Amino acid sequence: GAGVSQTPSNKVTEKGKYVELRCDPISGHTALYWYRQSLGQGPEFLIYFQGTGAADDSGLPNDRFFAVRPEGSVSTLKIQRTERGDSAVYLCASSLSGRVPIETQYFGPGTRLLVL
Amino acid sequence: AQTVTQSQPEMSVQEAETVTLSCTYDTSENNYYLFWYKQPPSRQMILVIRQEAYKQQNATENRFSVNFQKAAKSFSLKISDSQLGDTAMYFCALFEGGSEKLVFGKGMKLTVNP
Repeated sequence: GAGVSQTPSNKVTEKGKYVELRCDPISGHTALYWYRQSLGQGPEFLIYFQGTGAADDSGLPNDRFFAVRPEGSVSTLKIQRTERGDSAVYLCASSLSGRVPIETQYFGPGTRLLVL
Repeated sequence: AQTVTQSQPEMSVQEAETVTLSCTYDTSENNYYLFWYKQPPSRQMILVIRQEAYKQQNATENRFSVNFQKAAKSFSLKISDSQLGDTAMYFCALFEGGSEKLVFGKGMKLTVNP
């Protein structure tokens, strides 16, 4: 596609439920990033994929969060046993290769997650 | 540790005027990159301008320019001839060459008034 797409645009769930958030990067981009943006804050890094592998998952807050990218294109962020504090906008970004010299990260419109 | 600070939470400017958004950062690396992103209500982060730390010349993109003061670790964004469409949140971000992630400031809300 022309840009990074994310689905769903909005997701409302109940505390304790499982959710999946999907990211479709720009075609040909091997690097993919997930960020979380809480209200009134800047985005915070969660995880970075280079191809199919998670090259850096140091930003995942705990083991309830997991992400996959099985074919090196679409990625899914999975959150188990959701908590109200997980409510945020989840942003996905992609770049051509992710290697230095650094390339620009292009962002999707995000998924707004609300945990009731 | 990398940090990015945007101390002005909100600013407003009249259409066609010039406005400067401030940003300071901290890093122990010599190889890093700085970015300004714009986030309109649609939520999509849009790249405004980028600056490589090894370049002394300040980056410019049409109405947008930066004042990069490496010694002071300052990276301000100047918007000339402000337009209504510039109304958005603006985020300053840092990327260290050895890491894999952007570190963002808290953002600043800019409103351009007609």
